[in-house]
Amino acid sequence: GAVVSQHPSRVICKSGTSVKIECRSLDFQATTMFWYRQFPKQSLMLMATSNEGSKATYEQGVEKDKFLINHASLTLSTLTVTSAHPEDSSFYICSAREVTAGNTIYFGEGSWLTVV
Amino acid sequence: DAKTTQPPSMDCAEGRAANLPCNHSTISGNEYVYWYRQIHSQGPQYIIHGLKNNETNEMASLIITEDRKSSTLILPHATLRDTAVYYCIVKSGGSNYKLTFGKGTLLTVNP
Repeated sequence: GAVVSQHPSRVICKSGTSVKIECRSLDFQATTMFWYRQFPKQSLMLMATSNEGSKATYEQGVEKDKFLINHASLTLSTLTVTSAHPEDSSFYICSAREVTAGNTIYFGEGSWLTVV
Repeated sequence: DAKTTQPPSMDCAEGRAANLPCNHSTISGNEYVYWYRQIHSQGPQYIIHGLKNNETNEMASLIITEDRKSSTLILPHATLRDTAVYYCIVKSGGSNYKLTFGKGTLLTVNP
């Protein structure tokens, strides 16, 4: 299947700082990417849908000013957690839609964020 | 998108077939059945999807009942590395490509 890569896989940041997570589709162009968050022992929760060249669409309850999403190219979307707090510590996962494969969604490896 | 119901957990012996059920009684005509799995601390992995017909690939087989109200994912020869949470997701092929995850089934493959 298609490959989606995230970087970094693990990051530790200080409370109050911002951290950026990158999501890349390595072997296909992705007009649509998605960002999820997963807390321990819970299922994935969709945060936002990112469309190349336009503003992201956020799910209800997700602060768009805190979780900045940029999708400037067909292979890269970034999630920036601004003014991070310990409660933002979580597993962040991106996914991308592969149009040529019947719109199958492929996921990245995930990024562990720890805010101290 | 239609809601799905899966058992919270299942066990399977290594080398045997693992049959994971999913109920989606409210599925509509244009909705596909997708299966993903998530191994601990990793992103979900796409397994297979189908609309009406049974599907098979190198990872698994998907059996969809004739009325499409339920399906079964079959791992023909389960290995220890197949231990994961398996998610059955139903969604349409329309412009909304969001995948909504339920709690899935934790499959434990035992030696």
